Amino acid sequence: NAGVTQTPKFQVLKTGQSMTLQCAQDMNHNSMYWYRQDPGMGLRLIYYSASEGTTDKGEVPNGYNVSRLNKREFSLRLESAAPSQTSVYFCASSSLGRPGGAFFGQGTRLTVV
Amino acid sequence: DQQVKQNSPSLSVQEGRISILNCDYTNSMFDYFLWYKKYPAEGPTFLISISSIKDKNEDGRFTVFLNKSAKHLSLHIVPSQPGDSAVYFCAAKDYGGSQGNLIFGKGTKLSVKP
Repeated sequence: NAGVTQTPKFQVLKTGQSMTLQCAQDMNHNSMYWYRQDPGMGLRLIYYSASEGTTDKGEVPNGYNVSRLNKREFSLRLESAAPSQTSVYFCASSSLGRPGGAFFGQGTRLTVV
Repeated sequence: DQQVKQNSPSLSVQEGRISILNCDYTNSMFDYFLWYKKYPAEGPTFLISISSIKDKNEDGRFTVFLNKSAKHLSLHIVPSQPGDSAVYFCAAKDYGGSQGNLIFGKGTKLSVKP
């Protein structure tokens, strides 16, 4: 049982390049999330998908787009990467009625140069 | 303005002693609070939670206390073990929000010395 799987684990981009971070969960959770964590900061919500077919902005959505491809997969796209998007990105999932908040993937460390 | 505050960036404790990590919040609409533990190069893992209708929740060595009037919660680890050394994040959920839609504090790095 893998839980939440993110790919890639590491990525270096040049300013202006685009890329998609992939996330998949095998826990049959309805909701999925993308967070970013910057040094000395807590995690901040970028986008979330409460259920398949829906997406909503979180606290820091600018510069990102998301796609809830199906119940299992939730991708995060950077259309034109900027150095300010250098961060560690975490995907998470949760299910209504189950305790424990969100279950997190291992993270993607992204550097934009 | 930070809605969830962890004012101690770090805490050092001797093995076997109690670790107390503190968290303050400002939003009275928070209805669920969680503590996550994070090791380097890993994602946060859920540790323990408490609903706003309770004032204490216990799970083995971990106990979370909630003081709603003071908008304060704390995590007690007794006894502390070297494997508890990690960054601990306090998080809160807004009433009506989904379970993973959380506001996080900045974290407290706990070091447990043998």
